Amino acid sequence: QKEVEQNSGPLSVPEGAIASLNCTYSDRGSQSFFWYRQYSGKSPELIMFIYSNGDKEDGRFTAQLNKASQYVSLLIRDSQPSDSATYLCADGNFGNEKLTFGTGTRLTIIP
Amino acid sequence: GAVVSQHPSWVICKSGTSVKIECRSLDFQATTMFWYRQFPKQSLMLMATSNEGSKATYEQGVEKDKFLINHASLTLSTLTVTSAHPEDSSFYICSARDVAGGYHEQYFGPGTRLTVT
Repeated sequence: QKEVEQNSGPLSVPEGAIASLNCTYSDRGSQSFFWYRQYSGKSPELIMFIYSNGDKEDGRFTAQLNKASQYVSLLIRDSQPSDSATYLCADGNFGNEKLTFGTGTRLTIIP
Repeated sequence: GAVVSQHPSWVICKSGTSVKIECRSLDFQATTMFWYRQFPKQSLMLMATSNEGSKATYEQGVEKDKFLINHASLTLSTLTVTSAHPEDSSFYICSARDVAGGYHEQYFGPGTRLTVT
């Protein structure tokens, strides 16, 4: 049974600081990973996906993947109050299968 | 990014009745759509995978006769909750996979909040 683990939080970060969200996965063969943001009462919104080892940057967001350690992270630079949400990490395996979601990390940005 | 719509956004129904929820991919074709359920303060729970032109694949513990899924076209999948009961009250969310770009990312609809009285 494939598993994705995240710290449920809550994680509190001051406005303007870097928020670091972490995720580990159990399937060593997995190739694709996704980060979603979910505001309370809303559906998840895709932020980024990453397939290769290393870093991938998109604006204030950076996803990091380390396949040897089976570890995925999301960094949010210059955190804003609007970044306060639950962040879901998902393992997409080879990219053509269903996603396995972690339970999510609740992030609160403190003004 | 790709856009997925759901209808209705919320629905209230009486116990014993059936409710149909539609999921549409608006600007891309989706051979595969997924149906999730989310209870308050819990994570997403995958209910079934819907494939265009074939039967849906249900996750363990999900009653296929209660949650009927039809994926009749490349842009539309429907979920029908039959003989709904109060314990079926939940947030139902669909997602569709856009394979055109080659990365298979899933985009979620806005969700349907079902309340069964």
